[in-house]
Amino acid sequence: ETGVTQSPTHLIKTRGQQVTLRCSSQSGHNTVSWYQQALGQGPQFIFQYYREEENGRGNFPPRFSGLQFPNYSSELNVNALELDDSALYLCASSFVGGVEAFFGQGTRLTVV
Amino acid sequence: LAKTTQPISMDSYEGQEVNITCSHNNIATNDYITWYQQFPSQGPRFIIQGYKTKVTNEVASLFIPADRKSSTLSLPRVSLSDTAVYYCLVGDRGQSNYQLIWGAGTKLIIKP
Repeated sequence: ETGVTQSPTHLIKTRGQQVTLRCSSQSGHNTVSWYQQALGQGPQFIFQYYREEENGRGNFPPRFSGLQFPNYSSELNVNALELDDSALYLCASSFVGGVEAFFGQGTRLTVV
Repeated sequence: LAKTTQPISMDSYEGQEVNITCSHNNIATNDYITWYQQFPSQGPRFIIQGYKTKVTNEVASLFIPADRKSSTLSLPRVSLSDTAVYYCLVGDRGQSNYQLIWGAGTKLIIKP
């Protein structure tokens, strides 16, 4: 158990819809990162938030957006879903500047 | 941007020592090297982190040469439960983004 929880665990959406994924960080951690992991591939960095501000972003289009709340929980929002967005979405929390991160179990998103 | 390269897969036997090497030619001066382990349908789990020379904890050792362009994760006396995918992670501070670059991962299979 890492103390990082994600919801929901599984989700099925239709192409074109919007989705919100949630993450509750480990107590005391002020940085949260989101990753997309396609089947059989390594995690791909989406973005990172520190104290409610985005402080790093990977090569993902603007329809991927996020929020971090004062309690350090976080949301990942994806608009205009595409079939290729089907993946495991992972949230990881850490201390600022720390590379060691604690991952949640992920949300499996299927877009049909 | 840093790029990491790892073997796609490796096989070994219970009780053996396993060494997995990761190449990261463009690692930045202030970046750390971190290894994660991932089981199917779970989030990655931190194994070990290092900056240079050798780091050892209760589960693994990490060897980093002076030029820091590669690193080797060493797992002593592996067991069947060590069968997993192992990822090498380096921090990479680009001109305006901080991207966390993951290798493709090494699928380690331990045989009885």
